[in-house]
Amino acid sequence: SQTIHQWPATLVQPVGSPLSLECTVEGTSNPNLYWYRQAAGRGLQLLFYSVGIGQISSEVPQNLSASRPQDRQFILSSKKLLLSDSGFYLCAWSVRRGSGNTIYFGEGSWLTVV
Amino acid sequence: KNQVEQSPQSLIILEGKNCTLQCNYTVSPFSNLRWYKQDTGRGPVSLTIMTFSENTKSNGRYTATLDADTKQSSLHITASQLSDSASYICVVSVIMDSNYQLIWGAGTKLIIKP
Repeated sequence: SQTIHQWPATLVQPVGSPLSLECTVEGTSNPNLYWYRQAAGRGLQLLFYSVGIGQISSEVPQNLSASRPQDRQFILSSKKLLLSDSGFYLCAWSVRRGSGNTIYFGEGSWLTVV
Repeated sequence: KNQVEQSPQSLIILEGKNCTLQCNYTVSPFSNLRWYKQDTGRGPVSLTIMTFSENTKSNGRYTATLDADTKQSSLHITASQLSDSASYICVVSVIMDSNYQLIWGAGTKLIIKP
């Protein structure tokens, strides 16, 4: 069966510090990978998605970046965090083809920028 | 503009009671509609997925309906349990430029009281 892991689960970082959230998927190959952010009381916001190694699409301009160094590894980074980067970050995956495929989410990472 | 609106924003009901959550969308061209359940501080988990031709789909005590003419969907929960306390998110898939995109609702926060 497929599983998705992301870490760390909770992170408190000072403004201006770097960020690295990691996500790995097991039990599948060539998945689509996603990073979402969820603000309180608001819908999920797609930040990045990837259809393959080294292929990253950005949905929202910001000071975050994403990388996919391996087929089942997705990393969300920032060189200098802003207060507005605080939120709940979710990594997710889906099979490659078709719009009817379910997106499976990781457990999420709470980021607080202080 | 593609939008998904959910109502109510929050709902409190007693354990054992039924409830219905609403989702209205202005999305075109429509591909499919999903309902997700998100426990607090966790990633969303898929409950149902419905295509244009499907009117009703059940998953245990959860029953989703879809009216593609009025662009409305509902999620009915029967005999609610304390574990149903969660946010319920409606997501509509739309085809744009040969790719599909997900339009997320803000969710309905459901609280079940004993």
